[in-house]
Amino acid sequence: ETGVTQTPRHLVMGMTNKKSLKCEQHLGHNAMYWYKQSAKKPLELMFVYSLEERVENNSVPSRFSPECPNSSHLFLHLHTLQPEDSALYLCASSQAIRLTSGNNNEQFFGPGTRLTVL
Amino acid sequence: KNQVEQSPQSLIILEGKNCTLQCNYTVSPFSNLRWYKQDTGRGPVSLTIMTFSENTKSNGRYTATLDADTKQSSLHITASQLSDSASYICVVSAWNNDMRFGAGTRLTVKP
Repeated sequence: ETGVTQTPRHLVMGMTNKKSLKCEQHLGHNAMYWYKQSAKKPLELMFVYSLEERVENNSVPSRFSPECPNSSHLFLHLHTLQPEDSALYLCASSQAIRLTSGNNNEQFFGPGTRLTVL
Repeated sequence: KNQVEQSPQSLIILEGKNCTLQCNYTVSPFSNLRWYKQDTGRGPVSLTIMTFSENTKSNGRYTATLDADTKQSSLHITASQLSDSASYICVVSAWNNDMRFGAGTRLTVKP
């Protein structure tokens, strides 16, 4: 176990549904991330949250809405998704967003949520 | 073109054999390079991390090499086991906090 948990592990939803993905990290980290992983493609960074700032990938559609109530929890709210949004959604955490001289800023990943949009 | 290119895209080997996976990158200014292993249905797990000054690093049967001049890295797996079947992802970080992921190599080890 990496210390990062995600629920649910699998989710099937219709295009009109509203659902949320949850991520929790038990590592005392200050930065959390959402990634989308589609088959045979590199991981795509969607959102980054830290105590200091929120960083977004401007190409992420507004039907994905992140929420970070504290440094240990991260949510991804989903509404009116499209079939092409079907993918594995990975959460990760690290000590900080930014590299420092004493921190290689390794990211620890959760097991992911396999999302299927019908 | 992706700034991190991995080859081959997929690979099938017999149990007990060795194999080498390649990663070429253009990410700059280079900070570090990691190799992750991702089992089916799981998140990626770090195998090795190398900085500019490191040429090789081992983790059990996994040995990673880095040539910062040619911007190439390889991951060598010795005496493969069935449990090595997974996707192997190369991730390169820059000092401006830009992190780029390769698409991965899907390795299948057959008995």
